[in-house]
Amino acid sequence: NAGVTQTPKFQVLKTGQSMTLQCAQDMNHEYMSWYRQDPGMGLRLIHYSVGAGITDQGEVPNGYNVSRSTTEDFPLRLLSAAPSQTSVYFCASRGFVQGKPKETQYFGPGTRLLVL
Amino acid sequence: GENVEQHPSTLSVQEGDSAVIKCTYSDSASNYFPWYKQELGKRPQLIIDIRSNVGEKKDQRIAVTLNKTAKHFSLHITETQPEDSAVYFCAASSGGGTSYGKLTFGQGTILTVHP
Repeated sequence: NAGVTQTPKFQVLKTGQSMTLQCAQDMNHEYMSWYRQDPGMGLRLIHYSVGAGITDQGEVPNGYNVSRSTTEDFPLRLLSAAPSQTSVYFCASRGFVQGKPKETQYFGPGTRLLVL
Repeated sequence: GENVEQHPSTLSVQEGDSAVIKCTYSDSASNYFPWYKQELGKRPQLIIDIRSNVGEKKDQRIAVTLNKTAKHFSLHITETQPEDSAVYFCAASSGGGTSYGKLTFGQGTILTVHP
């Protein structure tokens, strides 16, 4: 299993540009989420999904859109990038894995985004 | 919603000493409390978690304690080693049984272990 994968690893955008951060998991997990990580502020939830076709807002959803057409994929879209969106973005999936009796949340490797 | 406060923000110890990181939470319905370790440039990795039906859980040099009355929980690392140096995050969530809801994270603690 690849676990949770994210692309790209690093991206530079100009203010106003749009882009999509990709996230995929091969563990058949229903629950997926996006976080942003800024210095001194921990991990803040942007959007999450409890299954295909179902998404909801987290703590800091403004400026971001998501959709969940399949169980495996959960892309995050920035429609008009702003410097305040410079951050490290982590995708996570949560569910059962072999050998563990309860749900566990796993993070992807992250995407570093710089908006100029 | 849930609010999680984590202290201290930085912690420096000598190799072999113990390290303690504390978190408080606001939502009395929260019943799942994981701890994540994040090394520089890497993703957060789960190191230990505890559910509200127990007061303490141990895994080798790492232990977590939970006080539901006071709404706080702590991470204890004994016999620290330089490779324990990282950022540690606590989190809290409500949920039932084997599943749980949205995780709210603390602000993180930078732990430095000096050889």
